[in-house]
Amino acid sequence: GQNIDQPTEMTATEGAIVQINCTYQTSGFNGLFWYQQHAGEAPTFLSYNVLDGLEEKGRFSSFLSRSKGYSYLLLKELQMKDSASYLCAVRATDSWGKLQFGAGTQVVVTP
Amino acid sequence: SAVISQKPSRDICQRGTSLTIQCQVDSQVTMMFWYRQQPGQSLTLIATANQGSEATYESGFVIDKFPISRPNLTFSTLTVSNMSPEDSSIYLCSVLTDPSTDTQYFGPGTRLTVL
Repeated sequence: GQNIDQPTEMTATEGAIVQINCTYQTSGFNGLFWYQQHAGEAPTFLSYNVLDGLEEKGRFSSFLSRSKGYSYLLLKELQMKDSASYLCAVRATDSWGKLQFGAGTQVVVTP
Repeated sequence: SAVISQKPSRDICQRGTSLTIQCQVDSQVTMMFWYRQQPGQSLTLIATANQGSEATYESGFVIDKFPISRPNLTFSTLTVSNMSPEDSSIYLCSVLTDPSTDTQYFGPGTRLTVL
């Protein structure tokens, strides 16, 4: 099975940087995904990591360390519209594409 | 990514009735999934919708309660049967469209309220 942990809530100021950590335990790792979900909307894909290291996409970056079972999502130059829930999801090698989601981290951006 | 639509977008239903949710994709996809997201919770996978065969259900979900159809590679339905207030949730379909990463993309969801 899989166990995925991420903080419940984080608050940061507009223009600042926030790092959302995700730790996981899985029997066979085959990729980690980050999704953004605004209230009342469907999750939207942000990033994918399968190898160790940093993936950068504009203001968002995602890091993975497979040996530590650890990932983080880094949000830079925060904007009010970044207030949302951020979901960490892990795919196992025997999962046929299925994802196991963490509980999500609610990020609140304040003026 | 594919364009995914769901119908209905929301519904209010009476206890004991059933609702069928449709998921339509604008291109053929290999895998389709159905998730539930209860209020304030994360996503829980209900089942994998298999084209031409019975769906594969996750622990805690059964075919009698959540029958699923997938007649072709662009369409699937999820029925929530004999509903109770505990079934009030958002139901989302997702698809795998990117063969290089197997990234899942989600439909807009169906918000179900059971009275």
